[in-house]
Amino acid sequence: DAGVTQSPTHLIKTRGQQVTLRCSPISGHKSVSWYQQVLGQGPQFIFQYYEKEERGRGNFPDRFSARQFPNYSSELNVNALLLGDSALYLCASSLGLKDYEQYFGPGTRLTVT
Amino acid sequence: DAKTTQPNSMESNEEEPVHLPCNHSTISGTDYIHWYRQLPSQGPEYVIHGLTSNVNNRMASLAIAEDRKSSTLILHRATLRDAAVYYCILLNNAGNMLTFGGGTRLMVKP
Repeated sequence: DAGVTQSPTHLIKTRGQQVTLRCSPISGHKSVSWYQQVLGQGPQFIFQYYEKEERGRGNFPDRFSARQFPNYSSELNVNALLLGDSALYLCASSLGLKDYEQYFGPGTRLTVT
Repeated sequence: DAKTTQPNSMESNEEEPVHLPCNHSTISGTDYIHWYRQLPSQGPEYVIHGLTSNVNNRMASLAIAEDRKSSTLILHRATLRDAAVYYCILLNNAGNMLTFGGGTRLMVKP
């Protein structure tokens, strides 16, 4: 079975632009979470979606938004990009809302210039 | 959220056991202890988790102190492929939103 897939792999944007990152969970997984990993630090939780509803939100500004589709794939949107948004954006999926094991994708490397 | 404290880095020789410590003195009774690792240029990977009793799986063992204020991840025979950042995370049963700290960077020498 395919693991968690994310697209694009790399992305370069300029300040003020908007970006959409995509994630496809493992087949059968209904929960998708998004994390931001700045270089040299551990991942930071952004959102969790389960059954198309937001179930958790980390300490990120309203410029960050996400949604989950009926097929459980997900998009993360970031508006009005800042230089500090440059990071690796990771998507993780799990079977349910409270399953202990999350499966991470390879991430999307976003560079804001 | 309860916090964890881990050494920034550790070194090990290939084929030798590795003990990665984690302190979590403010752990609550409903917090599970999880370990994830992140290999270079990859997303994090689940390793093991436990509540009170020691746990074993194909990847590692988890030893939990009797007072649960600390735990140790044990890799029985380190390989070069085990070189990664290892994260100790506390997670209650309310959900699975992971809070990563700085982790321990494990270097394995041949």
